[in-house]
Amino acid sequence: GAGVSQTPSNKVTEKGKYVELRCDPISGHTALYWYRQSLGQGPEFLIYFQGTGAADDSGLPNDRFFAVRPEGSVSTLKIQRTERGDSAVYLCASSRTVQEGEVYGYTFGSGTRLTVV
Amino acid sequence: ELKVEQNPLFLSMQEGKNYTIYCNYSTTSDRLYWYRQDPGKSLESLFVLLSNGAVKQEGRLMASLDTKARLSTLHITAAVHDLSATYFCAVDAPTSGTYKYIFGTGTRLKVLA
Repeated sequence: GAGVSQTPSNKVTEKGKYVELRCDPISGHTALYWYRQSLGQGPEFLIYFQGTGAADDSGLPNDRFFAVRPEGSVSTLKIQRTERGDSAVYLCASSRTVQEGEVYGYTFGSGTRLTVV
Repeated sequence: ELKVEQNPLFLSMQEGKNYTIYCNYSTTSDRLYWYRQDPGKSLESLFVLLSNGAVKQEGRLMASLDTKARLSTLHITAAVHDLSATYFCAVDAPTSGTYKYIFGTGTRLKVLA
């Protein structure tokens, strides 16, 4: 696609429910990143994929958070037993390679605004 | 732990004025990025600074990097209303062989007509 696509754009869920957030990166981009942006804050790193594998998941806050990228393109961020503190905008970004991301920066999607009530 | 601090956090300025946003970071890095975010929108890449002394300009915005001082600046010249947005700097944090951005808290800029 022309840009990084994230769905849904908005998600409201009840505390304790399970949610999945989807990221469709630019075609051919092998590096994919998830960030979380709380209100009034800068984005915080969650996890990064190089191809199908998670190269760095050190930013995932706890074991309720999990992300996959089974075919090396679309990625899904999964949150179990959601809590009100999980409410934030979840941003996905991609680059053709990690090296290109370093030189040219990433392309970010528009994000999914998650609200846990 | 790498920390990235921006100041000011909020900036209200008149059209036509000049101002500078500062980005300080706490560890060695020679890669710094500036992004713009409009309300409810995603992040738009403005500048990529990859070496000490790098300076880049686009329109009324100019960014520079001093890696020795661990400081980047974003200078606004003759501000116009369209520049109203939140500006983030991000530093590349090479740890354990992988790279990720550490973002500052952002500077919310409002340009008054």
